[in-house]
Amino acid sequence: DTGVSQDPRHKITKRGQNVTFRCDPISEHNRLYWYRQTLGQGPEFLTYFQNEAQLEKSRLLSDRFSAERPKGSFSTLEIQRTEQGDSAMYLCASSSSGGDRMLHTFGSGTRLTVV
Amino acid sequence: DQQVKQNSPSLSVQEGRISILNCDYTNSMFDYFLWYKKYPAEGPTFLISISSIKDKNEDGRFTVFLNKSAKHLSLHIVPSQPGDSAVYFCAATGSGGSNYKLTFGKGTLLTVNP
Repeated sequence: DTGVSQDPRHKITKRGQNVTFRCDPISEHNRLYWYRQTLGQGPEFLTYFQNEAQLEKSRLLSDRFSAERPKGSFSTLEIQRTEQGDSAMYLCASSSSGGDRMLHTFGSGTRLTVV
Repeated sequence: DQQVKQNSPSLSVQEGRISILNCDYTNSMFDYFLWYKKYPAEGPTFLISISSIKDKNEDGRFTVFLNKSAKHLSLHIVPSQPGDSAVYFCAATGSGGSNYKLTFGKGTLLTVNP
């Protein structure tokens, strides 16, 4: 296993378009997280899955955002009707349910630019 | 409200000297703390962590100290190397919850000069 994979690495889109990002976690990890990082800030929590169940959503996740994790494997994050304020790095992380469950392993992120 | 604060946006040290990065938190429910290192255009990489039952954890050149009464932790890097130049994030979580989401500070840019 090579770690957490995110695709694409970069995405440039026009305002108003929809975009979808994919995350493949470490295969043994049943916990999956999405974070967003903007310039000068640390990553901010967006949402959390345990297996296929989405158990928590941040208030940062407006109704234009939707995340899924079908079958508890990969996850997708969709942003509808993108706005310039959505420009950010979107980070996916996964963790196990074992003793190191608080240790997130992050992917390289998807850099979104809305023009 | 910023529950995890890294008040120094940047730090510059000479190669071979000690780097000390500081972090303060306000939420008393946090009892597990992590340091991540981030290079540009990459995701954060885990460095070292500490549970609130300890006051020190060491891993090679990296040591994290926790002062629970002051709600303060620090990361010491000795000796500092040019390859340590990166943004360092302090993160916290509460083990009593069920989702273990991380709350991050804004980061400190460390530059180690040769």
